[in-house]
Amino acid sequence: AQSVTQLGSHVSVSEGALVLLRCNYSSSVPPYLFWYVQYPNQGLQLLLKYTSAATLVKGINGFEAEFKKSETSFHLTKPSAHMSDAAEYFCAVTDTGTASKLTFGTGTRLQVTL
Amino acid sequence: EAGVAQSPRYKIIEKRQSVAFWCNPISGHATLYWYQQILGQGPKLLIQFQNNGVVDDSQLPKDRFSAERLKGVDSTLKIQPAKLEDSAVYLCASSLGPSGSYEQYFGPGTRLTVT
Repeated sequence: AQSVTQLGSHVSVSEGALVLLRCNYSSSVPPYLFWYVQYPNQGLQLLLKYTSAATLVKGINGFEAEFKKSETSFHLTKPSAHMSDAAEYFCAVTDTGTASKLTFGTGTRLQVTL
Repeated sequence: EAGVAQSPRYKIIEKRQSVAFWCNPISGHATLYWYQQILGQGPKLLIQFQNNGVVDDSQLPKDRFSAERLKGVDSTLKIQPAKLEDSAVYLCASSLGPSGSYEQYFGPGTRLTVT
């Protein structure tokens, strides 16, 4: 069974500062890993995904994440925060089987201040 | 390309009443998912369809929840009777196939409030 732990339910950064959202996973088999963003009253949108190719994954809106097997981590980063990045971010994991379901973390709400 | 459509967007009902949600996936997507997202939590999978067959419904409370995907396209999720703890956002998603490598596209969700 897979699980995901997101450290920090709320993160606040200043506009222009580094964004770091933490995600650790637990999986007995090689996983696929995802980051989704959710804006108020909207569904989830995929930011990026790791599917066993390059360990450094680049996504939309300037976000990237690095898969570190030794640390079982998949932290999300962005060099410079923008006000429009304020949203809820979810890390998710699935296994590499042919019929796999996503298991989500509890989410991290990112606040961006002036 | 049209996204995943859901209706209604909001619903308020009293406990013990019934309610139904509708989802229209992206055209050509064989796999359809229903998730429950309780406030402050991540989405939890309720049921997964592959075409019109059920792949996984292990977390669906079958005594009160039911779902169908007739003809392998649109899907309906029903709750009967509703309980207070069913208050949540119900998200529908679709993907080309069931493998984890396929991206899931999410609809805007239906926010259910049970009073």
